[in-house]
Amino acid sequence: DIQLTQSPSFLSASVGDRVTITCRASQAISSYSAWYQQKPGKAPKLLIYGPSTLQSGVPSRFSGSGSGTEFTLTISSLQPEDFATYYCQQLNSYPITFGQGTRLEIK
Amino acid sequence: EVQLVESGGGLVQSGESLRLSCAASGFTFASYAMTWVRQAPGKGLEWVSSISAIGTGTYYADSVKGRFTISRDNSKNTLYLQMNSLRAEDTALYHCARWVAGAGTKWFDPWGQGTLVTVSS
Repeated sequence: DIQLTQSPSFLSASVGDRVTITCRASQAISSYSAWYQQKPGKAPKLLIYGPSTLQSGVPSRFSGSGSGTEFTLTISSLQPEDFATYYCQQLNSYPITFGQGTRLEIK
Repeated sequence: EVQLVESGGGLVQSGESLRLSCAASGFTFASYAMTWVRQAPGKGLEWVSSISAIGTGTYYADSVKGRFTISRDNSKNTLYLQMNSLRAEDTALYHCARWVAGAGTKWFDPWGQGTLVTVSS
Protein backbone atom coordinates (compact mmCIF):
# COMPACT_ATOMS: atom_id res chain seq x y z
CA ASP A 1 0.00 0.00 0.00
CA ILE A 2 1.12 3.57 -0.68
CA GLN A 3 1.35 5.58 2.53
CA LEU A 4 0.84 9.34 2.41
CA THR A 5 2.31 11.51 5.14
CA GLN A 6 1.21 15.12 5.39
CA SER A 7 3.18 17.78 7.21
CA PRO A 8 2.40 19.55 9.30
CA SER A 9 -0.61 17.80 10.87
CA PHE A 10 -1.63 21.06 12.51
CA LEU A 11 -0.97 24.59 11.35
CA SER A 12 -1.85 27.85 13.05
CA ALA A 13 -1.74 30.89 10.77
CA SER A 14 -3.16 34.35 10.32
CA VAL A 15 -5.30 35.89 7.62
CA GLY A 16 -3.02 37.02 4.83
CA ASP A 17 -0.29 34.45 5.55
CA ARG A 18 1.19 32.19 2.89
CA VAL A 19 1.07 28.55 3.93
CA THR A 20 2.36 25.35 2.40
CA ILE A 21 1.29 21.80 3.20
CA THR A 22 3.47 18.92 2.06
CA CYS A 23 2.40 15.38 1.21
CA ARG A 24 5.03 12.65 0.91
CA ALA A 25 4.23 9.30 -0.66
CA SER A 26 5.98 6.06 0.21
CA GLN A 27 6.46 5.43 -3.51
CA ALA A 28 6.07 7.39 -6.73
CA ILE A 29 2.48 8.17 -7.68
CA SER A 30 3.06 9.85 -11.04
CA SER A 31 0.42 12.53 -11.62
CA TYR A 32 -2.33 10.68 -9.73
CA SER A 33 -2.69 13.00 -6.78
CA ALA A 34 -5.37 15.34 -5.51
CA TRP A 35 -6.03 17.77 -2.67
CA TYR A 36 -9.32 18.25 -0.82
CA GLN A 37 -10.62 20.79 1.67
CA GLN A 38 -13.07 19.75 4.37
CA LYS A 39 -14.94 22.03 6.73
CA PRO A 40 -16.72 20.71 9.85
CA GLY A 41 -19.95 18.91 9.00
CA LYS A 42 -19.35 19.22 5.26
CA ALA A 43 -18.31 16.87 2.50
CA PRO A 44 -14.74 17.09 1.19
CA LYS A 45 -14.33 19.53 -1.68
CA LEU A 46 -11.87 19.01 -4.52
CA LEU A 47 -9.28 21.77 -4.78
CA ILE A 48 -6.49 20.50 -7.02
CA TYR A 49 -5.79 17.41 -9.09
CA GLY A 50 -3.04 16.01 -11.20
CA PRO A 51 -0.99 17.54 -9.19
CA SER A 52 -1.29 21.19 -10.16
CA THR A 53 -4.61 21.71 -11.92
CA LEU A 54 -6.99 23.98 -10.08
CA GLN A 55 -10.56 22.70 -9.98
CA SER A 56 -13.06 25.04 -11.60
CA GLY A 57 -14.39 27.61 -9.16
CA VAL A 58 -11.52 27.27 -6.68
CA PRO A 59 -9.82 30.61 -5.94
CA SER A 60 -6.45 31.20 -7.59
CA ARG A 61 -4.75 31.69 -4.21
CA PHE A 62 -4.67 27.88 -4.05
CA SER A 63 -1.94 26.13 -6.02
CA GLY A 64 -0.40 22.70 -6.18
CA SER A 65 2.90 21.33 -7.33
CA GLY A 66 5.13 18.31 -7.12
CA SER A 67 5.96 15.04 -8.74
CA GLY A 68 7.13 11.58 -7.88
CA THR A 69 6.79 11.25 -4.14
CA GLU A 70 6.45 14.83 -2.89
CA PHE A 71 3.53 17.17 -3.47
CA THR A 72 2.61 20.54 -2.01
CA LEU A 73 -0.51 22.62 -1.57
CA THR A 74 0.08 26.35 -1.18
CA ILE A 75 -2.36 29.03 -0.17
CA SER A 76 -0.84 32.34 -1.14
CA SER A 77 -2.84 34.63 1.14
CA LEU A 78 -5.09 32.99 3.72
CA GLN A 79 -8.68 34.11 3.85
CA PRO A 80 -11.07 33.47 6.76
CA GLU A 81 -12.96 30.84 4.77
CA ASP A 82 -9.76 28.81 4.23
CA PHE A 83 -9.54 27.61 7.80
CA ALA A 84 -10.37 23.92 7.43
CA THR A 85 -8.77 20.49 7.20
CA TYR A 86 -6.86 19.58 4.04
CA TYR A 87 -6.21 16.06 2.72
CA CYS A 88 -3.94 14.78 -0.02
CA GLN A 89 -4.87 11.63 -1.94
CA GLN A 90 -3.16 9.18 -4.26
CA LEU A 91 -5.05 7.41 -7.03
CA ASN A 92 -2.03 5.70 -8.60
CA SER A 93 -2.90 2.26 -7.27
CA TYR A 94 -5.30 0.39 -5.04
CA PRO A 95 -5.92 0.79 -2.23
CA ILE A 96 -6.60 4.47 -2.78
CA THR A 97 -5.12 6.31 0.19
CA PHE A 98 -5.37 9.69 1.84
CA GLY A 99 -2.97 11.60 4.00
CA GLN A 100 -3.87 11.93 7.66
CA GLY A 101 -5.00 15.52 7.18
CA THR A 102 -3.69 18.98 8.03
CA ARG A 103 -5.85 21.06 10.30
CA LEU A 104 -5.43 24.75 9.53
CA GLU A 105 -6.56 27.03 12.33
CA ILE A 106 -6.65 30.75 12.90
CA LYS A 107 -3.79 32.11 15.02
CA GLU B 1 -26.21 20.53 -11.04
CA VAL B 2 -24.25 17.40 -10.29
CA GLN B 3 -25.56 15.93 -7.05
CA LEU B 4 -25.06 12.82 -4.94
CA VAL B 5 -27.40 11.99 -2.07
CA GLU B 6 -26.71 9.09 0.27
CA SER B 7 -29.26 7.24 2.37
CA GLY B 8 -29.67 4.03 4.33
CA GLY B 9 -27.48 4.68 7.34
CA GLY B 10 -28.59 3.99 10.88
CA LEU B 11 -27.87 2.31 14.21
CA VAL B 12 -27.30 -1.43 14.10
CA GLN B 13 -25.86 -4.10 16.35
CA SER B 14 -22.53 -5.73 15.70
CA GLY B 15 -22.94 -8.56 13.18
CA GLU B 16 -25.97 -7.04 11.48
CA SER B 17 -26.29 -5.72 7.92
CA LEU B 18 -27.16 -2.44 6.20
CA ARG B 19 -27.47 -1.35 2.59
CA LEU B 20 -26.47 2.18 1.69
CA SER B 21 -27.71 3.94 -1.43
CA CYS B 22 -26.36 6.92 -3.34
CA ALA B 23 -28.73 8.64 -5.75
CA ALA B 24 -26.98 10.51 -8.55
CA SER B 25 -28.34 13.33 -10.67
CA GLY B 26 -27.11 16.01 -13.05
CA PHE B 27 -24.70 13.82 -15.03
CA THR B 28 -24.60 10.65 -17.12
CA PHE B 29 -24.23 8.18 -14.26
CA ALA B 30 -23.41 5.21 -16.49
CA SER B 31 -20.31 6.98 -17.83
CA TYR B 32 -18.49 7.25 -14.51
CA ALA B 33 -16.87 4.97 -12.00
CA MET B 34 -18.07 5.59 -8.47
CA THR B 35 -16.63 5.16 -5.02
CA TRP B 36 -17.40 5.02 -1.29
CA VAL B 37 -15.22 6.79 1.28
CA ARG B 38 -15.85 6.77 5.02
CA GLN B 39 -14.86 8.95 7.91
CA ALA B 40 -14.97 7.69 11.48
CA PRO B 41 -15.94 10.33 14.06
CA GLY B 42 -13.10 12.80 14.49
CA LYS B 43 -10.86 10.86 12.09
CA GLY B 44 -9.57 11.21 8.54
CA LEU B 45 -10.80 9.90 5.21
CA GLU B 46 -10.65 6.17 4.42
CA TRP B 47 -11.36 4.77 0.96
CA VAL B 48 -13.78 1.83 1.15
CA SER B 49 -14.66 0.60 -2.33
CA SER B 50 -14.93 1.57 -5.99
CA ILE B 51 -16.82 0.25 -9.01
CA SER B 52 -16.29 0.77 -12.72
CA ALA B 53 -18.81 2.58 -14.89
CA ILE B 54 -20.53 -0.58 -16.11
CA GLY B 55 -20.07 -2.46 -12.88
CA THR B 56 -17.70 -5.13 -14.10
CA GLY B 57 -14.77 -4.02 -11.97
CA THR B 58 -15.02 -3.75 -8.19
CA TYR B 59 -12.31 -2.91 -5.66
CA TYR B 60 -12.25 -3.02 -1.86
CA ALA B 61 -10.16 -1.95 1.08
CA ASP B 62 -8.76 -4.92 2.98
CA SER B 63 -10.72 -3.78 6.05
CA VAL B 64 -14.05 -4.50 4.33
CA LYS B 65 -13.18 -7.19 1.78
CA GLY B 66 -15.46 -10.19 2.11
CA ARG B 67 -18.02 -8.25 4.17
CA PHE B 68 -19.02 -5.32 1.92
CA THR B 69 -20.29 -5.45 -1.67
CA ILE B 70 -20.46 -2.46 -3.98
CA SER B 71 -22.93 -2.44 -6.85
CA ARG B 72 -24.79 -0.06 -9.10
CA ASP B 73 -28.00 0.16 -11.10
CA ASN B 74 -27.36 2.43 -14.05
CA SER B 75 -31.05 2.37 -15.00
CA LYS B 76 -31.83 3.96 -11.63
CA ASN B 77 -28.73 6.20 -11.40
CA THR B 78 -27.99 4.64 -8.03
CA LEU B 79 -24.90 3.29 -6.31
CA TYR B 80 -25.12 0.79 -3.45
CA LEU B 81 -22.99 -0.55 -0.64
CA GLN B 82 -24.18 -3.76 1.00
CA MET B 83 -22.54 -4.02 4.40
CA ASN B 84 -22.65 -7.38 6.21
CA SER B 85 -21.12 -8.59 9.47
CA LEU B 86 -20.80 -5.01 10.68
CA ARG B 87 -18.29 -4.23 13.39
CA ALA B 88 -17.91 -1.35 15.81
CA GLU B 89 -14.95 -0.11 13.77
CA ASP B 90 -17.25 0.36 10.75
CA THR B 91 -18.94 3.24 12.57
CA ALA B 92 -18.46 6.24 10.29
CA LEU B 93 -20.02 8.76 7.96
CA TYR B 94 -20.13 7.11 4.55
CA HIS B 95 -19.73 9.37 1.50
CA CYS B 96 -20.22 8.41 -2.11
CA ALA B 97 -18.23 10.24 -4.75
CA ARG B 98 -17.92 10.32 -8.51
CA TRP B 99 -14.57 9.06 -9.82
CA VAL B 100 -13.42 11.29 -12.65
CA ALA B 101 -10.59 10.47 -15.05
CA GLY B 102 -9.15 12.85 -17.58
CA ALA B 103 -6.13 14.92 -18.59
CA GLY B 104 -3.91 12.02 -17.63
CA THR B 105 -5.02 11.91 -14.04
CA LYS B 106 -7.94 11.05 -11.75
CA TRP B 107 -9.89 12.55 -8.87
CA PHE B 108 -13.09 12.26 -6.80
CA ASP B 109 -15.66 14.97 -7.47
CA PRO B 110 -18.24 15.73 -6.25
CA TRP B 111 -18.86 14.07 -2.89
CA GLY B 112 -22.20 13.52 -1.21
CA GLN B 113 -22.89 14.79 2.29
CA GLY B 114 -22.79 11.27 3.67
CA THR B 115 -24.97 8.88 5.65
CA LEU B 116 -24.05 7.91 9.20
CA VAL B 117 -23.60 4.28 10.17
CA THR B 118 -23.32 3.48 13.85
CA VAL B 119 -22.53 -0.06 14.96
CA SER B 120 -23.00 -0.82 18.61
CA SER B 121 -21.22 -3.69 20.26
